[in-house]
Amino acid sequence: GDSVTQMEGPVTLSEEAFLTINCTYTATGYPSLFWYVQYPGEGLQLLLKATKADDKGSNKGFEATYRKETTSFHLEKGSVQVSDSAVYFCALSEQAGTALIFGKGTTLSVSS
Amino acid sequence: KAGVTQTPRYLIKTRGQQVTLSCSPISGHRSVSWYQQTPGQGLQFLFEYFSETQRNKGNFPGRFSGRQFSNSRSEMNVSTLELGDSALYLCASSRELGLGNEQFFGPGTRLTVL
Repeated sequence: GDSVTQMEGPVTLSEEAFLTINCTYTATGYPSLFWYVQYPGEGLQLLLKATKADDKGSNKGFEATYRKETTSFHLEKGSVQVSDSAVYFCALSEQAGTALIFGKGTTLSVSS
Repeated sequence: KAGVTQTPRYLIKTRGQQVTLSCSPISGHRSVSWYQQTPGQGLQFLFEYFSETQRNKGNFPGRFSGRQFSNSRSEMNVSTLELGDSALYLCASSRELGLGNEQFFGPGTRLTVL
């Protein structure tokens, strides 16, 4: 079945460091791909999405490119801030509905 | 515009009891999905409703059920609670059904089964 694999955390960075969180997926069809973020004590928020190959999703300085050839959707940010500390989830949606399949999540901790 | 609301926010039950959780979607949204979040299994899809009909179901036992009302509000029910049902239950709404539709998540209901 469909699945999403994320790099294990936690990821600990200093402020202004470069961030990459790897995400690969397995799908039988042509999914839409998402990154969600969960700040401490809050619900999930959509960070960015991409619906077709070579699409680049971006938001708040975060970017991810839909790479069909490598079945990847890696999240990047050029300069992280303390406020970026959160859990990041990669997800896909393939079925006709909107059901999301999530990765396990990667905890990011940024220190000043 | 109000976000997705879930009630109650916290719940404590004992094994064998049943529980009902409620979700009110964003106004105008017709699709509601439910997810279970646990430290061990992560986020897992439970089911999805659209126009009062269950459109999709995850791999959970029949003790987990749900329904959607004509105003798009949704409830999920868990019968004969087990310790392993302790989790954060998240509801998400989207405007329509279909690939790429953004889902907006509520804050969740934290269920503890003793």
